[in-house]
Amino acid sequence: AQKITQTQPGMFVQEKEAVTLDCTYDTSDQSYGLFWYKQPSSGEMIFLIYQGSYDEQNATEGRYSLNFQKARKSANLVISASQLGDSAMYFCAMREGGGYSTLTFGKGTMLLVSP
Amino acid sequence: DGGITQSPKYLFRKEGQNVTLSCEQNLNHDAMYWYRQDPGQGLRLIYYSQIVNDFQKGDIAEGYSVSREKKESFPLTVTSAQKNPTAFYLCASRGQGVLNTEAFFGQGTRLTVV
Repeated sequence: AQKITQTQPGMFVQEKEAVTLDCTYDTSDQSYGLFWYKQPSSGEMIFLIYQGSYDEQNATEGRYSLNFQKARKSANLVISASQLGDSAMYFCAMREGGGYSTLTFGKGTMLLVSP
Repeated sequence: DGGITQSPKYLFRKEGQNVTLSCEQNLNHDAMYWYRQDPGQGLRLIYYSQIVNDFQKGDIAEGYSVSREKKESFPLTVTSAQKNPTAFYLCASRGQGVLNTEAFFGQGTRLTVV
């Protein structure tokens, strides 16, 4: 079974509108972390936002916020006021446990922002 | 500036040849990782290392080998046993082992078998 599921292969949004990218996860660990990365066409992975399993409040970083619903095992990324530069692939990832445990990635969502 | 450097950016390999991808970091991170990215597949873990002279297989290690002789360096060799090596390869590193520490990525190497 997939540990990270991103059901939207592609999303379109108009500039200045908000968009939600979906992510559901599967784990039996009590302690885990959820990450979102952005990958522009150049290929580098840019860290956007983090949510810990014990965090009671949703994480926010500028225009990015994470809608964390623990009981539903979802960690959706919300981008407010989309910009043309937001066009990229977006990956949800999870780290289970501590130490140097590895990241497991979803298959990604391609976001296109139109003028 | 601190960061992760992958080289080369583009690499072409003939079938049957081994090729080595370089990954160097100056972030003083203990852990380093290699991922493979194919279209529509997301990132899949090849190998990772938590300390010098030690490394573990990831989900798709067959046909690959690594070494970790120095903290700063974690080269990946794509051997002739790798049946479909054409892909985008990303190297990452991470600092102290707390859950919320993000991984930092290099710019990637695009490998093409010709």
